Amino acid sequence: DQQVKQNSPSLSVQEGRISILNCDYTNSMFDYFLWYKKYPAEGPTFLISISSIKDKNEDGRFTVFLNKSAKHLSLHIVPSQPGDSAVYFCAASAGDRDDKIIFGKGTRLHILP
Amino acid sequence: KAGVTQTPRYLIKTRGQQVTLSCSPISGHRSVSWYQQTPGQGLQFLFEYFSETQRNKGNFPGRFSGRQFSNSRSEMNVSTLELGDSALYLCASSLDLGYRYNEKLFFGSGTQLSVL
Repeated sequence: DQQVKQNSPSLSVQEGRISILNCDYTNSMFDYFLWYKKYPAEGPTFLISISSIKDKNEDGRFTVFLNKSAKHLSLHIVPSQPGDSAVYFCAASAGDRDDKIIFGKGTRLHILP
Repeated sequence: KAGVTQTPRYLIKTRGQQVTLSCSPISGHRSVSWYQQTPGQGLQFLFEYFSETQRNKGNFPGRFSGRQFSNSRSEMNVSTLELGDSALYLCASSLDLGYRYNEKLFFGSGTQLSVL
């Protein structure tokens, strides 16, 4: 049973345009969400997070939106740059220290020149 | 500050063998988690250790085990290797402030295990 779903395995976006990566979750107890970015041969690196008390969090070119009623979150990258080409993982947890962080399968983002 | 260090970087084993992977967390980090990454399944949670105790466990068979030492370093062991165990094994450490909010996992580069 996959609790965190990233239904698009890959996405191609023109450089300079907006990249939108989507994530759905099924566990209503999740209240803390994270996005990680992974380059080949490297471990994932933290990008941005959001707790359920917010519906938006912004950090430079990266914005995460949370729609709790739809159990959906999205990551917006504006403008997209060549270095953004990577695999993006959505992750979630219930916030309590004893809860594990669950990751989705990832979306591979290709930024086209 | 040094990052999360995983050794070895690459491993080739044959079916039936066992393997031990090592992880040194960032200094001061008390929690260590292990994940398996395969092309079709993304990052799957194996287990988490805190203060030498397993705090959480994923849905993997008992062939997968781990431990954490008093200096927070961790090892994971896979016994009786199967072809399907071929994957990138990632270790992540975190400060563990007592709650998940604002908690960040810092990952190592992983150990690429190939089972022949």
